[in-house]
Amino acid sequence: DTGVSQNPRHKITKRGQNVTFRCDPISEHNRLYWYRQTLGQGPEFLTYFQNEAQLEKSRLLSDRFSAERPKGSFSTLEIQRTEQGDSAMYLCASSLSGGIAYEQYFGPGTRLTVT
Amino acid sequence: GEDVEQSLFLSVREGDSSVINCTYTDSSSTYLYWYKQEPGAGLQLLTYIFSNMDMKQDQRLTVLLNKKDKHLSLRIADTQTGDSAIYFCAASETSYDKVIFGPGTSLSVIP
Repeated sequence: DTGVSQNPRHKITKRGQNVTFRCDPISEHNRLYWYRQTLGQGPEFLTYFQNEAQLEKSRLLSDRFSAERPKGSFSTLEIQRTEQGDSAMYLCASSLSGGIAYEQYFGPGTRLTVT
Repeated sequence: GEDVEQSLFLSVREGDSSVINCTYTDSSSTYLYWYKQEPGAGLQLLTYIFSNMDMKQDQRLTVLLNKKDKHLSLRIADTQTGDSAIYFCAASETSYDKVIFGPGTSLSVIP
């Protein structure tokens, strides 16, 4: 397995447009996480899934944000009516739950720039 | 909720030891991590420690935990230029819970 992949790697969009990012986790991992990282800051938790169920959402995730994991495999994160404050790196991570693996494996991220 | 703090910058000479410090607020944090992020690269887990441990050593890395003071440190022995990166202290309640990250410490290694 090649690890967690994210597409696209970079996205430039105009304010007000909708964008969608995709994350493909490590194949046997049942947990999938989304984080947002702005310049000079550590990643901030947005939401996570166990299989297809979305178990927790941060209050950072406004109504304009929606995440899905329809078949418990890949996940999408959509931002509607983008704002300049949405410019950030969006990170996806995956892990196993209930096992002895403690690590969340992070993807390379999708860098969003809203102009 | 959990809050993780760490100093933002550290500069050391090649061959010296680096010590990066971190404090956290939530005593229910059971797992404490150090992640490394190099420019243009993803986050890499360097090491972790359970809250019932005081110390963990892994090659050049030594993690010290003072649970009473909620203080975590990462010592890198014989620091090399390749260790230049941003180091994030992080915490979670369970091994598969969301991870709360600090702001990161930018380590610069001077040749």
